[in-house]
Amino acid sequence: DVKVTQSSRYLVKRTGEKVFLECVQDMDHENMFWYRQDPGLGLRLIYFSYDVKMKEKGDIPEGYSVSREKKERFSLILESASTNQTSMYLCASSINRANTEAFFGQGTRLTVV
Amino acid sequence: DAKTTQPTSMDCAEGRAANLPCNHSTISGNEYVYWYRQIHSQGPQYIIHGLKNNETNEMASLIITEDRKSSTLILPHATLRDTAVYYCIVRTHSGSARQLTFGSGTQLTVLP
Repeated sequence: DVKVTQSSRYLVKRTGEKVFLECVQDMDHENMFWYRQDPGLGLRLIYFSYDVKMKEKGDIPEGYSVSREKKERFSLILESASTNQTSMYLCASSINRANTEAFFGQGTRLTVV
Repeated sequence: DAKTTQPTSMDCAEGRAANLPCNHSTISGNEYVYWYRQIHSQGPQYIIHGLKNNETNEMASLIITEDRKSSTLILPHATLRDTAVYYCIVRTHSGSARQLTFGSGTQLTVLP
């Protein structure tokens, strides 16, 4: 089975802290994604990457950056966490650029206080 | 990508078929219909996708109307574990990989 593993299920951080959310997939997938999910807003794409060291902005990239130094790992970085970044963060990967089937991690619930 | 419209919520009795509708009246000829679901406190899970023909796999069936303006996801024998939010998405298989955009979905509740 494909596994997409997010490093933490729950995180509590203080305003202004730098936050790293890690995601690892074990199926050699090209594409990886970071979403945030908020009640009433569905899933919103933050960033995605279709290859090592490649990244593209999604719909809501402001306040976030990403890093993909290895194919299996895609990190989301909050340079200076703010309370409006309290959310559920979901990582996903898919085998090819057509993205015919995406596999999601369990999510990280981040609370910024 | 074409927009989709789904009911906000639906109930279904356990053991009965659950039929989840989706309208996508502006779908283009090269856009596929995808279904995902998200069980509470888990990440979304891929279910099925199709272009024109009806599709079936071990999880569900997908019925697409001839004009492709709407589709129905069918869970043939719903169980309590099928209670989830179901997302209908339309997208192409070309272009940017960003084309996996989720709307609000349908909350399906399977009742005992």
